[in-house]
Amino acid sequence: KAGVTQTPRYLIKTRGQQVTLSCSPISGHRSVSWYQQTPGQGLQFLFEYFSETQRNKGNFPGRFSGRQFSNSRSEMNVSTLELGDSALYLCASSLVAGNPNTEAFFGQGTRLTVV
Amino acid sequence: AQSVTQLGSHVSVSEGALVLLRCNYSSSVPPYLFWYVQYPNQGLQLLLKYTSAATLVKGINGFEAEFKKSETSFHLTKPSAHMSDAAEYFCAGRFSGGSNYKLTFGKGTLLTVNP
Repeated sequence: KAGVTQTPRYLIKTRGQQVTLSCSPISGHRSVSWYQQTPGQGLQFLFEYFSETQRNKGNFPGRFSGRQFSNSRSEMNVSTLELGDSALYLCASSLVAGNPNTEAFFGQGTRLTVV
Repeated sequence: AQSVTQLGSHVSVSEGALVLLRCNYSSSVPPYLFWYVQYPNQGLQLLLKYTSAATLVKGINGFEAEFKKSETSFHLTKPSAHMSDAAEYFCAGRFSGGSNYKLTFGKGTLLTVNP
């Protein structure tokens, strides 16, 4: 069974540009969450999608957005990139949403560097 | 506020020694708790989870954790460290209340295993 796939693995962008990251969840999983990992702030929740609807959103500016497609694949977009957006972006898939007991399976992440 | 705290950002042990990584939570209702491991340039891998069925939880790679409500703790242990255990470990919780079941992570503990 294939795991969570994130593409690309590495990305270098210039300040002011925008970027789109992709996540394919485990087959059959319908919930996708995104997290930002930085040395200073650790792992922070960005948003969660289930059945193409955003269920929850973390405390990030509106420059961060996402969406989920009918096949459960998800993308997140960051516009007007800032140096502080440099981070490892992790996607996690879960079988269902709204169940605190459910396990989250993480992809290998996309390492975004903003220069 | 509901939170997860990991005591010790860096733990160093000798190969064959006991591994003890500490995790405490802050909330009036115990959350569902998880331990994840992250190897360099990789995503997060689930080690084990607490779901209230049993206070002592066994996970993969010989790790186990004990939930203690009176101490609001969920410490991770392994009787004998192996070189391959060197990685960063994250404790995370899903807190009840509301509809946001995001994972709230501790800051992580980097485990070094010395030969």
